[in-house]
Amino acid sequence: EVQLVESGGGLVQPGRSLRLSCAASGFTFGDYAMHWVRQSPEKGLEWVSLINWNSSRILYADSVKGRFTISRDNAKNSLYLQMNSLRPEDTAIYFCAKGSGSGSYILNFWGQGTLVTVSS
Amino acid sequence: DIVMTQSPDSLAVSLGERATINCKSSQSVLSSADNRNYLAWIQQRPGQPPKLLIHWASIRESGVPDRFTGSGSGTDFTLTISSLQAEDVAVYYCQQHYGAPLTFGGGTRVEIK
Repeated sequence: EVQLVESGGGLVQPGRSLRLSCAASGFTFGDYAMHWVRQSPEKGLEWVSLINWNSSRILYADSVKGRFTISRDNAKNSLYLQMNSLRPEDTAIYFCAKGSGSGSYILNFWGQGTLVTVSS
Repeated sequence: DIVMTQSPDSLAVSLGERATINCKSSQSVLSSADNRNYLAWIQQRPGQPPKLLIHWASIRESGVPDRFTGSGSGTDFTLTISSLQAEDVAVYYCQQHYGAPLTFGGGTRVEIK
């Protein structure tokens, strides 16, 4: 059974940093692209970042480029999102999502999400 | 960026009746390379994470009931629930998987009348 479990969310002040993790199980993690997608009442579902199977292709939404860094450790079956210079508009539930292939843009499984709140 | 526009924002349908959701993309998501439409439909039940229902515009994921049908091509797409069940109460999103940045529609809330 595929499982994705996000962690690391919480309340953080503007300008500070946070690191999200996503623990994967139930599939061969290193064979698949992984994504971060966030959801807020104001913006709905918003794609954040993609990392392909071997980290050779990494993409970001313009809204987070230069502030967020996606990475993965295939030996640990884990995905990460380092978020720096956080802004109130980054407040959202952050989901990790599995791609259907090694570089796929089809999000065929989503974790439960972790809430990030940026506020003073 | 490809803008995805859904209609209606919400609809209420009687149990057993048909529900139809529309999605329009600001540019074609039909690839000339493989003649596939790069369009997905995603369901989000209350309090749950999103779940992929359909990709390539009409290919149902394993385990998705056949009352869910995706259709359309180019810039205009439809998700049809042929006979609404209580468990289908959810918000439905279209998403283009044609290229980055991936973009989503604003969602259509489906309720029981």
